[in-house]
Amino acid sequence: EVQLLESGGGLVQPGGSLRLSCTASGFTFSSYAMSWVRQAPGKGLEWVSAISNSGGSSTYYADSVKGRFTISRDNSKNTLYLQMNSLRAEDTAVYYCAKAATAWYYYGMDVWGQGTTVTVSS
Amino acid sequence: QSALTQPASVSGSPGQSITISCTGTSSDVGSYNLVSWYQQHPGKAPKFMIYEGTKRPSGVSNRFSGSKSGNTASLTISGLQAEDEGDYYCCSYAGTGHVVFGGGTKLTVL
Repeated sequence: EVQLLESGGGLVQPGGSLRLSCTASGFTFSSYAMSWVRQAPGKGLEWVSAISNSGGSSTYYADSVKGRFTISRDNSKNTLYLQMNSLRAEDTAVYYCAKAATAWYYYGMDVWGQGTTVTVSS
Repeated sequence: QSALTQPASVSGSPGQSITISCTGTSSDVGSYNLVSWYQQHPGKAPKFMIYEGTKRPSGVSNRFSGSKSGNTASLTISGLQAEDEGDYYCCSYAGTGHVVFGGGTKLTVL
């Protein structure tokens, strides 16, 4: 069964850092681009970041997180990461990792994790 | 990149058809056949329903269909069922590696 399992969420103070992880199983992780998508409480989905397949040489970020967040992947561990620095209250959300339906994430995201909650508050 | 525009809510009775619109610009929806749609039930992760504007992943009911005209994409659900109730989001490639979602539409089955 194809699965994604996020972890690493929690409560952090404004200006703090957090690293999210997403462990994949049931498919050849290295063959697919991956994304992070977040959802603030009571709000809609917001694309956060994406990374290309294979070595992950290409990374992309929403303007709202560029320069603060870093996406990376470790294909040997079937794991996707999101390093979040300089966190703000507006980063409070459930963070989902999502698998690209094809090699490229922007064709669609066919498998989603259950999400991990990040709360930025003093 | 600004969020795509969706109606806040739509409703229909069981057996009816409804259509959810998703309006973007010539820089996103209008430029690429890369619109996808997601269904989300409360407290759950999104589910992949349509990709590349009109294609249905395996396992998704053929009651769901997608289309596009100009800068507007649409999701049509025919033969509405109670289980279709939930939130629906469109998503489009917006160039330079960016992806943009719509604000979401709450579907109520009366």
